[in-house]
Order: sequence, then C-alpha cells, then structure tokens
Amino acid sequence: DSGVTQTPKHLITATGQRVTLRCSPRSGDLSVYWYQQSLDQGLQFLIQYYNGEERAKGNILERFSAQQFPDLHSELNLSSLELGDSALYFCASSVGVLATNEKLFFGSGTQLSVL
Amino acid sequence: DQQVKQNSPSLSVQEGRISILNCDYTNSMFDYFLWYKKYPAEGPTFLISISSIKDKNEDGRFTVFLNKSAKHLSLHIVPSQPGDSAVYFCAASAGVNYGQNFVFGPGTRLSVLP
Repeated sequence: DSGVTQTPKHLITATGQRVTLRCSPRSGDLSVYWYQQSLDQGLQFLIQYYNGEERAKGNILERFSAQQFPDLHSELNLSSLELGDSALYFCASSVGVLATNEKLFFGSGTQLSVL
Repeated sequence: DQQVKQNSPSLSVQEGRISILNCDYTNSMFDYFLWYKKYPAEGPTFLISISSIKDKNEDGRFTVFLNKSAKHLSLHIVPSQPGDSAVYFCAASAGVNYGQNFVFGPGTRLSVLP
C-alpha cells in the first residue's frame, strides 16, 4: 500500500459528460501529480500541484482541470468527455518538488471508460 | 517527442536467468533516473533509482547501470523470478532545475517463464 488513495477505482460515463477524480496523497506529502495512461502508452504527465499551487503542467487538455485543496487532497476534473479520454488516470505524491533522490508514490488509479 | 525511450515493448526470460531491460533518454539535463514496476490493476511501485553522479546502483537482485555518455540505462534482474513478471517503466527527472516532474518511458512488459 503506497498510502496514496484514489477514488473511484472505476468510472463509466458517456461522451460529453463531466467527471471528477479524487486523490489523497501520502501523509506528509505536499506534491500531487496526475498522470494518464492510455492503452499501450506510457505514463503521460498531466499536471503537478505543490502545497495548493500549480507547479508544473504537462500535456493536459483545456477540457481538463485540477486543483489541490488546503487539506492537500486533489481533484482532476474532466469535461466534455470524448471516447479518446478513456484511460487509466494515476495520482502520485511526493514530499517536495522533486529534489534529487525523491520519488513518486502512486495510487492504484482510476479506470475511466467513456462510452 | 519522446524523451525517454524503452524500445522493447516486451521481453521473455526463463526463471533463474538474467533479465535486462533497457532505457534511452535524449535530454542531457536529466540527472536522476528511476525504475518502476507495475502489476495489472495496481499503480506503479518504485523499484530502484540512480543519480547521475553514479554509474551503478544495486539493491538485492536488482542493479541499475547508467552510461551518461550514451544516454542509456539498464536494469538487470538476477536471478529472475516468476513474480517479477510485470511492466517496467523507466523514468527520468532533471529535478528542480527543469520541469519538476518525472518523464516516463512507454514501459517494457517482462514475462518470467517457470
């Protein structure tokens, strides 16, 4: 158990809809990261938050947004969903902002299926 | 533009033999490298890491080698066990000086045959 909690584990929805994925980082970790893994693809970095503020942005679509709350949990909002958004979404956390020798701890992911 | 490459999508090895997983990177700013292992229906778990000031790091059956001039690293698993069957991701970071996030390769699926 990595200590990172993601809910829900599975989500099935229709095109055009909006969903929210939730992540609670490990106790003491201030950074939260969101990654997307599509079929046969690697882990694509979406966005990072550190202590409530956006720290880095990757290949995140404009239809997607995220935030980190004062209690450090994070939510990833996906709107106007398309079939191609079907993927496994991972949340990860780390203590800081990735100084050398830090590592990411991953949750078990949310499997999103857009029908 | 794939900055971290794992050119072998899959690898099969006999139990007890050595598994060698390879990773190449293009960004010379990367100074910290990690390997993650992922089982189905689980999140990736940290396996081993290496800083660019080293060329080898060992942890039990797992050894990572880094060749900075070739921008290449490899993970050796000796001896391989059936429980090692998983997808292995190579990741690289330039730390606080760049991007502040890890870049992952596409993964290599390792199958260890009994």
